[in-house]
Amino acid sequence: TQLLEQSPQFLSIQEGENLTVYCNSSSVFSSLQWYRQEPGEGPVLLVTVVTGGEVKKLKRLTFQFGDARKDSSLHITAAQPGDTGLYLCAGRPTSGTYKYIFGTGTRLKVLA
Amino acid sequence: KAGVTQTPRYLIKTRGQQVTLSCSPISGHRSVSWYQQTPGQGLQFLFEYFSETQRNKGNFPGRFSGRQFSNSRSEMNVSTLELGDSALYLCASTKAGQAIHEQFFGPGTRLTVL
Repeated sequence: TQLLEQSPQFLSIQEGENLTVYCNSSSVFSSLQWYRQEPGEGPVLLVTVVTGGEVKKLKRLTFQFGDARKDSSLHITAAQPGDTGLYLCAGRPTSGTYKYIFGTGTRLKVLA
Repeated sequence: KAGVTQTPRYLIKTRGQQVTLSCSPISGHRSVSWYQQTPGQGLQFLFEYFSETQRNKGNFPGRFSGRQFSNSRSEMNVSTLELGDSALYLCASTKAGQAIHEQFFGPGTRLTVL
């Protein structure tokens, strides 16, 4: 069974602090996505990474795909209250299936 | 353009009943996937439909079924409801043929089984 473990599970920080969320697996993925979900809504896609070692930036968010395509990280610089939400990583297995495996989630709260 | 819509948004049922949830994908998207989200298990894949055919299936019992219509709209059905079926059911649509499979989620249907 392919699993994606995220850490930490919960994170409460002050506005302006930096943080990193990790997404780890023993399996290789052909691509990996990060989503943010707010209460009462569905997840919203933030980024897709496909190449081992790839780094993508989205304003204050930096995403990295591990060299072996088994792990990923999300770094937020100078967090703001608007960053509050549930962050989910999702990996697409190399078998070519369209079935995405979602991570366990990291619930972030940024205090003003 | 309009996003993914799901109806109803909230539903309360009792054990043993059945329920049908509906999902309308983004115009032009031909693939629809369904997920179950619970606090304990997170987001779990139920099944995916493309061109009215089930293309992938997750590890859920046969009580969970779905279908897709020629206009790409999809329905999922849960029969003989159990308390553990209480969850947020999300559907996601994808424009087929892309090199990167980007999913766009609807707001979900929150099902409560009493």
